Amino acid sequence: GENVEQHPSTLSVQEGDSAVIKCTYSDSASNYFPWYKQELGKRPQLIIDIRSNVGEKKDQRIAVTLNKTAKHFSLHITETQPEDSAVYFCAADSWGKLQFGAGTQVVVTP
Amino acid sequence: DGGITQSPKYLFRKEGQNVTLSCEQNLNHDAMYWYRQDPGQGLRLIYYSQIVNDFQKGDIAEGYSVSREKKESFPLTVTSAQKNPTAFYLCASSILGDSGNQPQHFGDGTRLSIL
Repeated sequence: GENVEQHPSTLSVQEGDSAVIKCTYSDSASNYFPWYKQELGKRPQLIIDIRSNVGEKKDQRIAVTLNKTAKHFSLHITETQPEDSAVYFCAADSWGKLQFGAGTQVVVTP
Repeated sequence: DGGITQSPKYLFRKEGQNVTLSCEQNLNHDAMYWYRQDPGQGLRLIYYSQIVNDFQKGDIAEGYSVSREKKESFPLTVTSAQKNPTAFYLCASSILGDSGNQPQHFGDGTRLSIL
């Protein structure tokens, strides 16, 4: 089955700097890669997603890149703000099921 | 998302007891999912259903059961066979698109603890 690895597990950044989270996947058939943000005790919320026929997607300060050959994808957050502090999860869709990474705790310090 | 309602928010289970977690959606989504989240970990799939009266096991189905009698509802029963049930349980739903996989939207979760 699909295996998703996510790095780093924790990330501390200064407000205004960029944050990058990287994920790798094992199943070359995976074709959909969402990213979720989860604040403490709350539901995960979809922030951006990308399909395998696209290499990059951007939405304001958030971007995702996908390298199908290397089987890795990354989340980029620019101009970080304190409200970006949360746990971020990557996921890969394998045969209709999402396999999640272990999450990255992002802390944005003023 | 306001369209997915999980209840209760907190649930306590006694030893040897079965408990049922409710998940209802009014988004007209075909597919529904149950995940388990342990502290500091990602989400693991327990069961999922893409159509009424049909469901499939996920990665950690042992000790759990589900039913899908209505499109809107996908209850999860945590049985006494699940020896370590303490976790945060999340229900999600999505449409089934012809053009590929569609985003999953989550409920607010149920936190289950052992008494």
